[in-house]
Amino acid sequence: GAGVSQSPSNKVTEKGKDVELRCDPISGHTALYWYRQRLGQGLEFLIYFQGNSAPDKSGLPSDRFSAERTGESVSTLTIQRTQQEDSAVYLCASSLYPAVNEQFFGPGTRLTVL
Amino acid sequence: AQKVTQAQTEISVVEKEDVTLDCVYETRDTTYYLFWYKQPPSGELVFLIRRNSFDEQNEISGRYSWNFQKSTSSFNFTITASQVVDSAVYFCALSEAMTGNQFYFGTGTSLTVIP
Repeated sequence: GAGVSQSPSNKVTEKGKDVELRCDPISGHTALYWYRQRLGQGLEFLIYFQGNSAPDKSGLPSDRFSAERTGESVSTLTIQRTQQEDSAVYLCASSLYPAVNEQFFGPGTRLTVL
Repeated sequence: AQKVTQAQTEISVVEKEDVTLDCVYETRDTTYYLFWYKQPPSGELVFLIRRNSFDEQNEISGRYSWNFQKSTSSFNFTITASQVVDSAVYFCALSEAMTGNQFYFGTGTSLTVIP
């Protein structure tokens, strides 16, 4: 694909519901990253995938957050029992190889928890 | 400790002025990579530049230039003759080849160019 895509672009949910956010990286990119960006804030690292495995899950804020990647392609970030403090923009990025290459970012999913 | 420090939270300049955005990093790796990203009001982060630790040559791309100095662990970004379209949040980032594959982003500098 031309770039990193994310869906949905906007998600409004009620507190306590589960949500799934999807990321389609650039074809052939081995590394995939998830970040959270609260309004007016910087990027908070959540998780990183090398292929389909996640060597670094250190940024996941709680056990309500999980992510998977399949086929060395699409990734899904799942938030269970959403809380209002989960409201943020969730950004996905991919790079050809980790560390060495620049990351290309998707447009983000804006999550609002009511 | 912060691996990447962008001490300037917000900067305002008048159009056509030059502006320098500071970035100071911290690492023990000998092989590392530095990046700058732009996040315009539309929200999508745009990659600007990548440098590796073995290349200290300064780089110029149009009105943009970057000054990499290992002696001071800095990777500063200068915009010459700023324009309103340069208004954005700019992030500096570091990745380390040996100690992990996470990108460390600074907290960003919000630049406003006043017409």
